[in-house]
Parts: sequence; C-alpha cells; structure tokens
Amino acid sequence: GQNIDQPTEMTATEGAIVQINCTYQTSGFNGLFWYQQHAGEAPTFLSYNVLDGLEEKGRFSSFLSRSKGYSYLLLKELQMKDSASYLCAVRDEDYKLSFGAGTTVTVRA
Amino acid sequence: ETGVTQTPRHLVMGMTNKKSLKCEQHLGHNAMYWYKQSAKKPLELMFVYNFKEQTENNSVPSRFSPECPNSSHLFLHLHTLQPEDSALYLCASSQVEGSGYNEQFFGPGTRLTVL
Repeated sequence: GQNIDQPTEMTATEGAIVQINCTYQTSGFNGLFWYQQHAGEAPTFLSYNVLDGLEEKGRFSSFLSRSKGYSYLLLKELQMKDSASYLCAVRDEDYKLSFGAGTTVTVRA
Repeated sequence: ETGVTQTPRHLVMGMTNKKSLKCEQHLGHNAMYWYKQSAKKPLELMFVYNFKEQTENNSVPSRFSPECPNSSHLFLHLHTLQPEDSALYLCASSQVEGSGYNEQFFGPGTRLTVL
C-alpha cells in the first residue's frame, strides 16, 4: 500500500513563494504527480516526476528524491487564483494513483 | 464535449432509492476510474477499468456497482446507500502504457447527498 503525507493548510501572501512538501512510503513507484483542485472543481494535472531532480513549468516547479521518498511543489509569484488544494499522488506499476489528503493553500493580498 | 464529463453534477437521494452516475471521456483513453472524495480525506480509488475489464475493486461495498459498456463510458449504480456515502464522486480516465506522462484526467464530479 501507499502512505502519503502532506501538510493540511498553508497561507502565503500574493507575490510570495510557497513550498508544499510531500513524503511517501510505497510498495511500488512509477511516478509522482501534483494536481491542483479549486473548490467544487475537478483536479487538474500540474506536474509529473519519475526521476530525481527538479522539473520547472513556468511559476510551478516540482522536485523528487526517490531515495528519501520526498517531493515538493514550489509555487512562485503567488497569485490570488492559486488559492486551491494541491494534491500529491504516487503511481504504482499498475498505473493506480494513491493520493495524499491535499494541502489547502490560501493566498492573501 | 471535450475531456471528461459527468452527470448529474448534484444528486440528492434517499437510502432506499436507486440511481446511477454517468461518466464519459472524449480523450480516446483506455482506462477509467471511479474515486470517492470526502472532506479532508484523500481521494479513495473505488474501481478501475482497464481496456473495459474491471481490474480493481478496493473493497467497495456492494451497494456500489460499476458498469463499463465500452472504453468511453463508465457508470456507477447506487442502491440502498447510507448517509456516510455522501461525498464527491469523481471519474477519471487515462491512457495506460502509452507514451507520455499518462496522467489521469478528471471529470467535474457528482456531489452526492444521501438523506
């Protein structure tokens, strides 16, 4: 099975940087995903890491260390629209996803 | 229609009712999923259909019954539900074993309330 932990809530100021950590203990690993979910909406894909290192996509970056069972999502130049829940998910060899409970990020002016 | 669609978006039902949730994907994927999302809890995988064959049933009670008539459509039949089954039910699809990230694409969900 999978055990995935991430903080419940984080608050940051518009224009700032926030880092959301995710730790996992898994029986198999075939990639780690980050999804964004606004209240009442579908989760949408943000990033994917399968090798160690940093993946950068505009204002969002995601890092993975497989040996440590650790990932983070970095949100830069925060905007009000970034207020959402951010879900960390680990995929196993059968292509099934196991999700963390999500981190609710609140961006304040 | 594009992406993954779900109907209805909201459903209120009594414990003795029978209802069905519908999901349709327009992405040409070969796998579809049902998830349950309760407040403050991780998304729980309920069922997986890969190439229309059910490959996963995560100990879901029999009052939830999935149906996958083809690779584009997925149903979740509900009967004699309990109030604790009230949640957001999300459908997703993905391409399994293809090139690329093979990320899952989610529908907007059905908000279910059981009275």
